[in-house]
Amino acid sequence: EAQVTQNPRYLITVTGKKLTVTCSQNMNHEYMSWYRQDPGLGLRQIYYSMNVEVTDKGDVPEGYKVSRKEKRNFPLILESPSPNQTSLYFCATKELAGASYNEQFFGPGTRLTVL
Amino acid sequence: RKEVEQDPGPFNVPEGATVAFNCTYSNSASQSFFWYRQDCRKEPKLLMSVYSSGNEDGRFTAQLNRASQYISLLIRDSKLSDSATYLCVAANTGNQFYFGTGTSLTVIP
Repeated sequence: EAQVTQNPRYLITVTGKKLTVTCSQNMNHEYMSWYRQDPGLGLRQIYYSMNVEVTDKGDVPEGYKVSRKEKRNFPLILESPSPNQTSLYFCATKELAGASYNEQFFGPGTRLTVL
Repeated sequence: RKEVEQDPGPFNVPEGATVAFNCTYSNSASQSFFWYRQDCRKEPKLLMSVYSSGNEDGRFTAQLNRASQYISLLIRDSKLSDSATYLCVAANTGNQFYFGTGTSLTVIP
């Protein structure tokens, strides 16, 4: 079954404690991306990656890091989380070419609370 | 100014009604446009891409007006299962995606 998985699904942490949210896809997609979703602000792109070892900043990259060492994985790293990073996070993947290259497939989301 | 703006609603319509959502985008260089559907607290899912010539998928029709930088979604014969939040999306050639805040639709029996 084609899927995008995120772990953990829920996380409550404290300010300054480094954390990583993992994203993995089994669709062999080149493109992966991270978004955060906040009430009244919608989904905003944090980082995206067009291929292994290639990452680019999205709209709101401050306070986040990513890495793309393997095609299937795209972890999101918060080195020193702050309360304003409390949000619902989605990972997404898509092809870069082909009939369905427009469609992004989203993971189930990770709800992060930073106290 | 937000890249993509849409009326948040909520839209409450009776079953069988026709409802239209509108969206504007600010970057004239935007290349690709989409409507996504998001059920409460779940992941967004692609409803349809939007093409300049307009496109239809069953009860759903999407239109794009590049001159006015305006995108629309029309839902005919609304079903209870259409209740969701509809997200308007614009993308540039660099694969950066800009989402609107979403329009909430509730279809009432």
